[in-house]
Amino acid sequence: DTGVSQNPRHKITKRGQNVTFRCDPISEHNRLYWYRQTLGQGPEFLTYFQNEAQLEKSRLLSDRFSAERPKGSFSTLEIQRTEQGDSAMYLCASSLYGASGSYNEQFFGPGTRLTVL
Amino acid sequence: AQSVTQLGSHVSVSEGALVLLRCNYSSSVPPYLFWYVQYPNQGLQLLLKYTTGATLVKGINGFEAEFKKSETSFHLTKPSAHMSDAAEYFCAVSGGGGSNYKLTFGKGTLLTVNP
Repeated sequence: DTGVSQNPRHKITKRGQNVTFRCDPISEHNRLYWYRQTLGQGPEFLTYFQNEAQLEKSRLLSDRFSAERPKGSFSTLEIQRTEQGDSAMYLCASSLYGASGSYNEQFFGPGTRLTVL
Repeated sequence: AQSVTQLGSHVSVSEGALVLLRCNYSSSVPPYLFWYVQYPNQGLQLLLKYTTGATLVKGINGFEAEFKKSETSFHLTKPSAHMSDAAEYFCAVSGGGGSNYKLTFGKGTLLTVNP
């Protein structure tokens, strides 16, 4: 078990370009979350998946953002037509959710830092 | 709706001194409460959590926190600061009782430890 991994770790792009980030969760975890962290702020929830189903999206996730988890394993987060305001750290987390609904710790990846010039 | 307020964006202590980081929360359902630590250019690491049961919870690296429902607080303490404790600390809340998925974080407190 190598933990949650995210790629790339850093991405610099020009305004208007599209970018895609990847998250590989802990292998047996069925829930996967995306958060965004801007400078001086705590992480903010963007969206989460249970297996391949996207169960909730935050209002922060504009139409330019799309997330997928096609086979219930890794996930991608795509930002189209990037804007300078998209510059942030994008964090992925995973957890194991059971039928009992008991607490499930979220394990975080190292994040992808996006800079939009 | 849930929210977290961390009092003090920056706390500075001397090595060996008491660490106290304050967190107040608002939640419409019984909360689950967490403290995470973030080192530069790294992800978040869970320090400790309160879900149910004992209100005084102990975590890693000598940290502990006490859930006080009447005060809606979950302050983080450590009796004696170490240089390696210098990092940013985030308090977070999620809905308890089975709906415990998304975390709502405070803005964070940067802890500086002086030699």
